[in-house]
Amino acid sequence: DAGITQSPRHKVTETGTPVTLRCHQTENHRYMYWYRQDPGHGLRLIHYSYGVKDTDKGEVSDGYSVSRSKTEDFLLTLESATSSQTSVYFCAITSGTGTMGELFFGEGSRLTVL
Amino acid sequence: AQRVTQPEKLLSVFKGAPVELKCNYSYSGSPELFWYVQYSRQRLQLLLRHISRESIKGFTADLNKGETSFHLKKPFAQEEDSAMYYCAANSGNTPLVFGKGTRLSVIA
Repeated sequence: DAGITQSPRHKVTETGTPVTLRCHQTENHRYMYWYRQDPGHGLRLIHYSYGVKDTDKGEVSDGYSVSRSKTEDFLLTLESATSSQTSVYFCAITSGTGTMGELFFGEGSRLTVL
Repeated sequence: AQRVTQPEKLLSVFKGAPVELKCNYSYSGSPELFWYVQYSRQRLQLLLRHISRESIKGFTADLNKGETSFHLKKPFAQEEDSAMYYCAANSGNTPLVFGKGTRLSVIA
């Protein structure tokens, strides 16, 4: 499992509330990613990080923010959750240098926004 | 724009039949290409990557630069192959881009 854990694994929340998902790695890898998985859309990149305090936007970053204050933790925040953000969220790390190489995924966090 | 296309949302085949999951990519240069698989209730995992030229679980994928394709093939499907399959690509130190996925259902 490449030492990646996500929390919470399941969350139900109401529209307009803030939500934070946590990704924790024990492998000391530099690159970390947040993807969302939706039927008919596959996996889409939200944000990624290439080091402490170094982050960049992905394809579907609107409505999301991230923070990386420590190498091992990458947080995804929905400031004001909307129903369109109901999804399964996956954290991943890259095994190699840079973004190239195999991605190792967490188990996913299922978020439902009512 | 960099894009990975998987034209089939669902592919159903009988056990023992050949399987081909299609993937086309739109990238400049020479991207690195992958197939990832997600079995029921399991996390996404790498199935194979084109640079390793391996055969994993009987699957192979051939890179065709002329047709910009990286189709996944297996000569005889097994029930345990039923899963969601994603083709993915990246290049030039950019994050991995995934296709929309194909759900393979192998019927006994």
